[in-house]
This record gives sequence, structure tokens and C-alpha cells, in this order.
Amino acid sequence: GAVVSQHPSRVICKSGTSVKIECRSLDFQATTMFWYRQFPKQSLMLMATSNEGSKATYEQGVEKDKFLINHASLTLSTLTVTSAHPEDSSFYICSARDTDVSYEQYFGPGTRLTVT
Amino acid sequence: DAKTTQPPSMDCAEGRAANLPCNHSTISGNEYVYWYRQIHSQGPQYIIHGLKNNETNEMASLIITEDRKSSTLILPHATLRDTAVYYCIVKDSGYALNFGKGTSLLVTP
Repeated sequence: GAVVSQHPSRVICKSGTSVKIECRSLDFQATTMFWYRQFPKQSLMLMATSNEGSKATYEQGVEKDKFLINHASLTLSTLTVTSAHPEDSSFYICSARDTDVSYEQYFGPGTRLTVT
Repeated sequence: DAKTTQPPSMDCAEGRAANLPCNHSTISGNEYVYWYRQIHSQGPQYIIHGLKNNETNEMASLIITEDRKSSTLILPHATLRDTAVYYCIVKDSGYALNFGKGTSLLVTP
């Protein structure tokens, strides 16, 4: 099946710093990518939908100035958590929809962010 | 708003069939039923999806009732590696997946 990678797999940063997470589709083109966040013992919550070449669409309650999303190519989307705080500590997961197979979404392995 | 209802947890003996139910009584005509699973601390994995016909692949079978208000995911011979949270999601093909709480399946030796 199609592969989506995320980098880094885990990151620890200090409060007030910014962290960038990359999401890549390795063997297919993805016009649309999605970013999710998952807190311990909870389900995945959709944060934003990222379309190549255009601005991301954020879900209600997600601050677009804090969670910067860039989708500059058909295989790469990035999520930057700006001025991170301990409450931003979470498991961040991206998914990508295969442009040629619109019904399938493939998920990355996730990035564990810990803000100290 | 939750579009699907699943039992919070289920147990299954290794080697037996695991039948995971899902209610989606408000499903609309153009919405598909998708199943994903998430093993602890990993990204979700696609299992199967269907519109109205029953579907089978190498991982599982999906049985959808004739009125489409409920479905059952069947893992024919569960193994310990099938222990995971299973999510039933209904959506139009063009939209994002919205995850509910899912069913935590524990496969026991």
C-alpha cells in the first residue's frame, strides 16, 4: 500500500519555541493532506485540511496563527507549532489522500511532541 | 455530532472470528462506511470500506445491512496483532475522516 512518512517521530522542545513536523507521501501524489491531533486515551481530532498550493482550512477552535500549515508540493505538507506550550504536547498525525484514488487516505506513523 | 455508535470495548479469543458492530442510522445515500484501526501509538490503518454491498479483502469482511443503518466488520481469524482500536466512520468520499471513540478490541491467547 501507499506510504506516508512523518519526521520527526518524536520531539522534545522547550516552552516558547517552534517545532516543524513534515508529512510526505512517498509513492503517490497527494493534492490533499489532513492534520490530526490525539491526546492520551482520546480519539483523533481533525485540525486542518491542507490543499496543495492553497491555504489550509482549519477546524473550529484550531488557531491558524499557532498551527502553521504549508503544502507547497504534491508530496509534502508541514505543520509548524509556533510558540509551543506544554498543553500542545500531543501525538500529531497526518494523512494524505491519493489524487488518483480519491476514496483512500493513508496515515503517517505520527509525531510525539513533548513541550517542557 | 457522532454519526456512528460502537461498543467501547470487546474481547475475542485468538483464532476466533471477531465481529465488530457499528450503528450509523443517519447515514445518507452518498456516504460510505469506512473502517480503520489504530494500534497503540501508531497512525491509523485502513481496513475496508463499502457503500451498500458487502465487501471482502485480505484483512476483513464488511457486512452492511440492507437499510444501511448498521454494519459489522469481521476479522475471520483474529490474532494477537489485531488488538487495536477499531473505528467505524461514515463519510462522503471527498471529505476528511472524523474519528469517534471506536471499539477497543482485545484479542486474548
